[in-house]
Amino acid sequence: GAVVSQHPSWVICKSGTSVKIECRSLDFQATTMFWYRQFPKQSLMLMATSNEGSKATYEQGVEKDKFLINHASLTLSTLTVTSAHPEDSSFYICSARELAQETQYFGPGTRLLVL
Amino acid sequence: QQQVKQSPQSLIVQKGGISIINCAYENTAFDYFPWYQQFPGKGPALLIAIRPDVSEKKEGRFTISFNKSAKQFSLHIMDSQPGDSATYFCAARGKSTFGDGTTLTVKP
Repeated sequence: GAVVSQHPSWVICKSGTSVKIECRSLDFQATTMFWYRQFPKQSLMLMATSNEGSKATYEQGVEKDKFLINHASLTLSTLTVTSAHPEDSSFYICSARELAQETQYFGPGTRLLVL
Repeated sequence: QQQVKQSPQSLIVQKGGISIINCAYENTAFDYFPWYQQFPGKGPALLIAIRPDVSEKKEGRFTISFNKSAKQFSLHIMDSQPGDSATYFCAARGKSTFGDGTTLTVKP
């Protein structure tokens, strides 16, 4: 089956620093990638959708200057949390989908803790 | 406005019992309805999915029942096992809309 990896799985950083999270599709070409945020015992909140080679589309209320998304290749998308603050601490999950396919494959998630 | 409403929020079932989780949607443009299983600290994994042109789909112990006129669909887990204890999310394609999740606990 299709595999999506995320790196790192865990990151702790100081307030004010930037953190980059990578999402890779290992055995398929991901024309579309999604970034989600999940708080404990809550559902997945879609942050943005990115298509390879295009600018990401952000959901309402998500600051695009704070959460920078790059989808420069068919196998890699990155989420950079800029000037992170404690309230940005969360579980970030990416998913990927092939062109014209319905199924999304999720990564294992990245837990971010901002001190 | 939440586009997919899921219930119950939590569910406790005895081993061997049937677990039933329900979802309702509003947008008739949705054309793909997956269910995901998520274990603590892990990303969601696709469990089973259905399109609105069929009323039921079964894969092993997992069955989706779909009622297009009522705009509802449900997940049935037969012979529930402790290893099925996880959070389950329904979703609807269109904008990656997820339900709030159901925490299932299967007691041995």
